Amino acid sequence: EAQVTQNPRYLITVTGKKLTVTCSQNMNHEYMSWYRQDPGLGLRQIYYSMNVEVTDKGDVPEGYKVSRKEKRNFPLILESPSPNQTSLYFCASSLSGRGGSPLHFGNGTRLTVT
Amino acid sequence: DAKTTQPNSMESNEEEPVHLPCNHSTISGTDYIHWYRQLPSQGPEYVIHGLTSNVNNRMASLAIAEDRKSSTLILHRATLRDAAVYYCILRDWGNNAGNMLTFGGGTRLMVKP
Repeated sequence: EAQVTQNPRYLITVTGKKLTVTCSQNMNHEYMSWYRQDPGLGLRQIYYSMNVEVTDKGDVPEGYKVSRKEKRNFPLILESPSPNQTSLYFCASSLSGRGGSPLHFGNGTRLTVT
Repeated sequence: DAKTTQPNSMESNEEEPVHLPCNHSTISGTDYIHWYRQLPSQGPEYVIHGLTSNVNNRMASLAIAEDRKSSTLILHRATLRDAAVYYCILRDWGNNAGNMLTFGGGTRLMVKP
């Protein structure tokens, strides 16, 4: 089944403890991206990647890192999480970065930083 | 980046058509119009997209204004399962467009039985 898989679905951690949220897609998509969703703020893009080894900042990149060493995986790294990074995170992919490509989203990761 | 404006919420009766509007007055010639919906506790789901012409698929229809400054997502017969937040976004066609995507607050559709 074609899908975007995020892990874990739920994560509770403490301030400053490095964590990684994984994202994997099995559709051979070139484009991948990360979003956070907060009440009243909609979905905001954190980082995106047009292809392997190519990443760019979105609207809210501060406090996050990403890497794209292989096509299928696009992990989101929080080197030193803080409470203001408590949020619902979504990974998405599309065949290309071009406008006609629909995005496919994962089911989300709910992160709580205490 | 071109932005979109949608009403915060709309209500519909079950089995009636629903027209969800989206304004994108600063749309560029290479922007595709995409619609997604998000059901409770799920990730956004692709609904439909188009460039200039109206589009139909099994989920919905997309009507695009002639000047492309607005569009309307049409659900032909709303069901209770269509209750969701609907997002309208613009996605540039260009290969090196920066490709930042902005989702606004969307429209929360409530469907009454």
